[in-house]
Amino acid sequence: DIQMTQSPSTLSASVGDRVTITCRASQSISSGLAWYQQKPGKAPKLLIYQASSLESGALSRFSGSGSGTEFTLTISSLEPDDFATYYCQHYNSYSATFGQGTKLEIK
Amino acid sequence: QVHLLQSGTEVKKPGASLKVSCKASGYTFGNYGISWVRQAPGQGLEWLGWISAYNGDTNYAQKVQDRVTMTTDMSTSTAYMEMRSLRSDDTAVYYCARDLQDIVEESTVKVCGFWGQGTLVTVSS
Repeated sequence: DIQMTQSPSTLSASVGDRVTITCRASQSISSGLAWYQQKPGKAPKLLIYQASSLESGALSRFSGSGSGTEFTLTISSLEPDDFATYYCQHYNSYSATFGQGTKLEIK
Repeated sequence: QVHLLQSGTEVKKPGASLKVSCKASGYTFGNYGISWVRQAPGQGLEWLGWISAYNGDTNYAQKVQDRVTMTTDMSTSTAYMEMRSLRSDDTAVYYCARDLQDIVEESTVKVCGFWGQGTLVTVSS
Protein backbone atom coordinates (compact mmCIF):
# COMPACT_ATOMS: atom_id res chain seq x y z
CA ASP A 1 0.00 0.00 0.00
CA ILE A 2 1.09 3.55 -0.66
CA GLN A 3 1.70 5.50 2.55
CA MET A 4 0.99 9.23 2.82
CA THR A 5 2.90 11.33 5.37
CA GLN A 6 1.86 14.87 6.21
CA SER A 7 3.98 17.51 7.90
CA PRO A 8 3.72 19.17 10.24
CA SER A 9 1.20 17.32 12.39
CA THR A 10 0.27 20.58 14.09
CA LEU A 11 0.76 24.11 12.79
CA SER A 12 0.23 27.29 14.81
CA ALA A 13 -0.40 30.42 12.78
CA SER A 14 -2.12 33.79 12.89
CA VAL A 15 -4.88 35.35 10.81
CA GLY A 16 -3.30 36.79 7.68
CA ASP A 17 -0.38 34.34 7.62
CA ARG A 18 0.57 32.33 4.56
CA VAL A 19 0.86 28.66 5.49
CA THR A 20 1.99 25.54 3.70
CA ILE A 21 1.28 21.91 4.53
CA THR A 22 3.31 19.12 2.91
CA CYS A 23 2.23 15.62 1.95
CA ARG A 24 4.73 12.98 0.84
CA ALA A 25 3.90 9.67 -0.84
CA SER A 26 5.93 6.50 -0.28
CA GLN A 27 6.10 6.07 -4.07
CA SER A 28 5.20 8.15 -7.09
CA ILE A 29 1.46 8.81 -7.42
CA SER A 30 1.60 11.16 -10.41
CA SER A 31 -1.10 13.80 -9.73
CA GLY A 32 -3.57 11.58 -7.87
CA LEU A 33 -3.73 13.74 -4.77
CA ALA A 34 -6.62 15.52 -3.07
CA TRP A 35 -6.83 17.83 -0.04
CA TYR A 36 -9.72 18.04 2.43
CA GLN A 37 -10.62 20.35 5.31
CA GLN A 38 -12.42 18.98 8.36
CA LYS A 39 -13.89 20.84 11.30
CA PRO A 40 -14.84 19.12 14.58
CA GLY A 41 -17.98 17.05 14.36
CA LYS A 42 -18.37 17.63 10.62
CA ALA A 43 -17.71 15.61 7.49
CA PRO A 44 -14.61 16.55 5.50
CA LYS A 45 -14.87 19.03 2.67
CA LEU A 46 -12.98 18.67 -0.60
CA LEU A 47 -10.66 21.57 -1.42
CA ILE A 48 -8.25 20.39 -4.13
CA TYR A 49 -8.07 17.38 -6.49
CA GLN A 50 -5.62 16.25 -9.14
CA ALA A 51 -2.97 17.94 -6.98
CA SER A 52 -3.79 21.48 -8.10
CA SER A 53 -7.42 21.72 -9.30
CA LEU A 54 -9.57 23.86 -7.03
CA GLU A 55 -12.94 22.32 -6.21
CA SER A 56 -15.73 24.62 -7.39
CA GLY A 57 -16.96 25.33 -3.87
CA ALA A 58 -13.52 26.05 -2.41
CA LEU A 59 -12.12 29.54 -1.92
CA SER A 60 -9.29 30.83 -4.10
CA ARG A 61 -6.94 31.40 -1.15
CA PHE A 62 -6.44 27.61 -1.16
CA SER A 63 -4.01 26.22 -3.72
CA GLY A 64 -2.26 22.93 -4.32
CA SER A 65 0.90 21.96 -6.11
CA GLY A 66 3.26 19.05 -6.67
CA SER A 67 3.49 15.75 -8.49
CA GLY A 68 5.21 12.43 -8.03
CA THR A 69 5.90 12.07 -4.32
CA GLU A 70 5.78 15.59 -2.86
CA PHE A 71 2.75 17.83 -2.66
CA THR A 72 1.80 21.04 -0.88
CA LEU A 73 -1.38 22.79 0.19
CA THR A 74 -0.99 26.55 0.59
CA ILE A 75 -3.40 28.98 2.21
CA SER A 76 -2.39 32.41 0.99
CA SER A 77 -3.81 34.50 3.84
CA LEU A 78 -5.41 32.76 6.79
CA GLU A 79 -8.95 33.64 7.74
CA PRO A 80 -10.54 32.69 11.11
CA ASP A 81 -12.67 30.06 9.35
CA ASP A 82 -9.56 28.23 8.10
CA PHE A 83 -8.53 26.87 11.50
CA ALA A 84 -9.31 23.18 11.07
CA THR A 85 -7.64 19.85 10.31
CA TYR A 86 -6.40 19.18 6.78
CA TYR A 87 -5.92 15.80 5.15
CA CYS A 88 -4.26 14.74 1.94
CA GLN A 89 -5.54 11.69 0.08
CA HIS A 90 -3.85 9.60 -2.58
CA TYR A 91 -6.23 7.93 -5.04
CA ASN A 92 -5.97 5.76 -8.13
CA SER A 93 -7.91 3.06 -9.95
CA TYR A 94 -7.25 0.49 -7.23
CA SER A 95 -7.01 2.20 -3.87
CA ALA A 96 -6.87 5.34 -1.80
CA THR A 97 -5.07 6.40 1.37
CA PHE A 98 -5.34 9.41 3.64
CA GLY A 99 -2.49 11.18 5.35
CA GLN A 100 -2.60 11.38 9.14
CA GLY A 101 -3.80 14.99 9.13
CA THR A 102 -2.44 18.43 10.00
CA LYS A 103 -4.19 20.46 12.68
CA LEU A 104 -4.02 24.18 11.99
CA GLU A 105 -4.30 26.11 15.25
CA ILE A 106 -4.56 29.76 16.12
CA LYS A 107 -1.29 31.14 17.48
CA GLN B 1 -28.67 19.09 -4.98
CA VAL B 2 -26.62 16.03 -4.08
CA HIS B 3 -27.60 14.52 -0.74
CA LEU B 4 -26.36 11.38 1.00
CA LEU B 5 -28.45 10.26 3.96
CA GLN B 6 -26.88 7.61 6.17
CA SER B 7 -28.52 5.25 8.62
CA GLY B 8 -28.49 5.93 12.34
CA THR B 9 -26.25 5.22 15.29
CA GLU B 10 -25.33 1.58 15.92
CA VAL B 11 -24.16 -0.21 19.05
CA LYS B 12 -22.70 -3.66 18.46
CA LYS B 13 -21.00 -6.36 20.49
CA PRO B 14 -17.61 -7.75 19.49
CA GLY B 15 -17.96 -10.43 16.87
CA ALA B 16 -21.24 -9.06 15.53
CA SER B 17 -21.91 -7.73 12.03
CA LEU B 18 -22.83 -4.23 10.91
CA LYS B 19 -24.60 -2.87 7.84
CA VAL B 20 -24.64 0.88 7.21
CA SER B 21 -26.77 2.38 4.46
CA CYS B 22 -26.28 5.52 2.41
CA LYS B 23 -29.32 6.74 0.45
CA ALA B 24 -28.48 9.07 -2.42
CA SER B 25 -30.61 11.75 -4.02
CA GLY B 26 -30.20 14.69 -6.35
CA TYR B 27 -28.22 12.91 -9.06
CA THR B 28 -28.19 9.82 -11.29
CA PHE B 29 -27.06 7.16 -8.82
CA GLY B 30 -25.61 4.74 -11.36
CA ASN B 31 -23.23 7.28 -12.84
CA TYR B 32 -20.98 7.64 -9.77
CA GLY B 33 -18.89 5.64 -7.36
CA ILE B 34 -19.24 5.68 -3.59
CA SER B 35 -16.37 5.49 -1.11
CA TRP B 36 -16.62 4.50 2.54
CA VAL B 37 -14.36 6.26 5.04
CA ARG B 38 -14.20 5.95 8.82
CA GLN B 39 -12.80 8.04 11.65
CA ALA B 40 -12.07 6.59 15.07
CA PRO B 41 -12.54 8.93 18.03
CA GLY B 42 -9.88 11.63 17.97
CA GLN B 43 -8.14 10.01 15.01
CA GLY B 44 -7.68 10.67 11.31
CA LEU B 45 -9.57 9.51 8.25
CA GLU B 46 -9.27 5.91 7.06
CA TRP B 47 -10.39 4.88 3.57
CA LEU B 48 -12.21 1.53 3.66
CA GLY B 49 -13.15 0.98 0.06
CA TRP B 50 -15.08 2.02 -3.02
CA ILE B 51 -17.90 0.67 -5.15
CA SER B 52 -19.01 1.64 -8.62
CA ALA B 53 -22.76 2.13 -8.67
CA TYR B 54 -22.50 1.66 -12.43
CA ASN B 55 -21.28 -1.95 -12.50
CA GLY B 56 -20.66 -3.01 -8.91
CA ASP B 57 -16.87 -3.10 -9.19
CA THR B 58 -15.23 -2.78 -5.78
CA ASN B 59 -11.84 -1.90 -4.30
CA TYR B 60 -11.19 -2.56 -0.61
CA ALA B 61 -8.44 -1.44 1.74
CA GLN B 62 -6.12 -4.33 2.58
CA LYS B 63 -6.70 -3.85 6.30
CA VAL B 64 -10.44 -4.65 6.08
CA GLN B 65 -10.84 -6.54 2.82
CA ASP B 66 -11.54 -9.85 4.56
CA ARG B 67 -14.36 -8.38 6.66
CA VAL B 68 -16.04 -5.81 4.44
CA THR B 69 -18.55 -6.07 1.60
CA MET B 70 -19.88 -3.04 -0.26
CA THR B 71 -23.03 -3.23 -2.36
CA THR B 72 -25.54 -0.97 -4.06
CA ASP B 73 -29.26 -1.14 -4.77
CA MET B 74 -30.10 0.76 -7.93
CA SER B 75 -33.84 0.50 -7.27
CA THR B 76 -33.52 2.61 -4.12
CA SER B 77 -30.31 4.56 -4.97
CA THR B 78 -28.73 3.19 -1.80
CA ALA B 79 -25.20 2.04 -1.07
CA TYR B 80 -24.41 -0.36 1.75
CA MET B 81 -21.29 -1.19 3.71
CA GLU B 82 -21.31 -4.45 5.68
CA MET B 83 -18.58 -5.26 8.17
CA ARG B 84 -18.28 -8.61 9.95
CA SER B 85 -16.45 -9.86 13.04
CA LEU B 86 -16.53 -6.44 14.66
CA ARG B 87 -13.82 -5.49 17.16
CA SER B 88 -13.55 -2.65 19.62
CA ASP B 89 -11.15 -0.83 17.31
CA ASP B 90 -13.91 -0.65 14.67
CA THR B 91 -15.57 1.96 16.87
CA ALA B 92 -15.74 5.04 14.65
CA VAL B 93 -17.87 7.41 12.65
CA TYR B 94 -18.44 5.84 9.23
CA TYR B 95 -18.97 8.10 6.22
CA CYS B 96 -20.11 7.43 2.68
CA ALA B 97 -18.89 9.83 0.01
CA ARG B 98 -19.74 10.21 -3.66
CA ASP B 99 -17.11 10.59 -6.35
CA LEU B 100 -16.60 14.16 -7.42
CA GLN B 101 -17.11 13.39 -11.10
CA ASP B 102 -19.04 10.73 -12.96
CA ILE B 103 -17.67 7.32 -13.82
CA VAL B 104 -16.45 8.47 -17.24
CA GLU B 105 -13.84 10.64 -15.51
CA GLU B 106 -11.56 7.79 -14.47
CA SER B 107 -8.85 10.19 -13.32
CA THR B 108 -10.90 11.40 -10.35
CA VAL B 109 -12.38 8.11 -9.16
CA LYS B 110 -12.33 8.01 -5.33
CA VAL B 111 -12.09 11.78 -4.99
CA CYS B 112 -14.76 12.35 -2.35
CA GLY B 113 -16.76 15.32 -3.53
CA PHE B 114 -19.95 14.88 -1.48
CA TRP B 115 -20.24 13.32 1.96
CA GLY B 116 -22.96 11.80 4.08
CA GLN B 117 -23.55 13.02 7.62
CA GLY B 118 -21.76 10.08 9.20
CA THR B 119 -22.93 7.08 11.22
CA LEU B 120 -21.54 6.53 14.71
CA VAL B 121 -20.74 2.88 15.36
CA THR B 122 -19.77 1.75 18.84
CA VAL B 123 -18.42 -1.76 19.38
CA SER B 124 -18.43 -2.70 23.04
CA SER B 125 -19.21 -5.69 25.21
